[in-house]
Amino acid sequence: DTGVSQDPRHKITKRGQNVTFRCDPISEHNRLYWYRQTLGQGPEFLTYFQNEAQLEKSRLLSDRFSAERPKGSFSTLEIQRTEQGDSAMYLCASSPIAGRYNEQFFGPGTRLTVL
Amino acid sequence: AQRVTQPEKLLSVFKGAPVELKCNYSYSGSPELFWYVQYSRQRLQLLLRHISRESIKGFTADLNKGETSFHLKKPFAQEEDSAMYYCALSEVGGGSYIPTFGRGTSLIVHP
Repeated sequence: DTGVSQDPRHKITKRGQNVTFRCDPISEHNRLYWYRQTLGQGPEFLTYFQNEAQLEKSRLLSDRFSAERPKGSFSTLEIQRTEQGDSAMYLCASSPIAGRYNEQFFGPGTRLTVL
Repeated sequence: AQRVTQPEKLLSVFKGAPVELKCNYSYSGSPELFWYVQYSRQRLQLLLRHISRESIKGFTADLNKGETSFHLKKPFAQEEDSAMYYCALSEVGGGSYIPTFGRGTSLIVHP
């Protein structure tokens, strides 16, 4: 296990298309987070899971955004009907519940460009 | 609502000079605070947490609840310290868990 992985690393799409990103957390981590990061800003929290339960989703940017973690392992983030304003870096992070409490381990991110 | 403010977008110093990256927060509860760092072409990673009270790579940060600050300090900056630094706050305990990051400060250490 080499850490949190994300796929794809880059995605270019046309406005109006749907996109889906995948995140594979560190295997023993129960918590998984999604963030959006735009230029000049820090990571902006979107949603998080504890195992397969999505415990917080009020910060998803609109109803076009949805996330799943069906078996408590990998997660997907889907953006429907993409808009140019969705262009950003999408980060995934995971953390164990026990141990170094609340430390998050980040993936490399998926850079989305909407044309 | 919790909020993290990093007032400086860019901090430029010479090697060997002291460094202080500022972080102020607003939160009604008892916060847990972190500094994350992102070196060029690397992923975001934890630098230190206030609860650990440790020094990492010569950096320290003290939580000042009176001033609601968690400034990051290093007495003698090194060129390899050049990176983006993000201050972050998280709610302690369970419940509705929303981590909040500042916008980041870019530290450049000149030779």
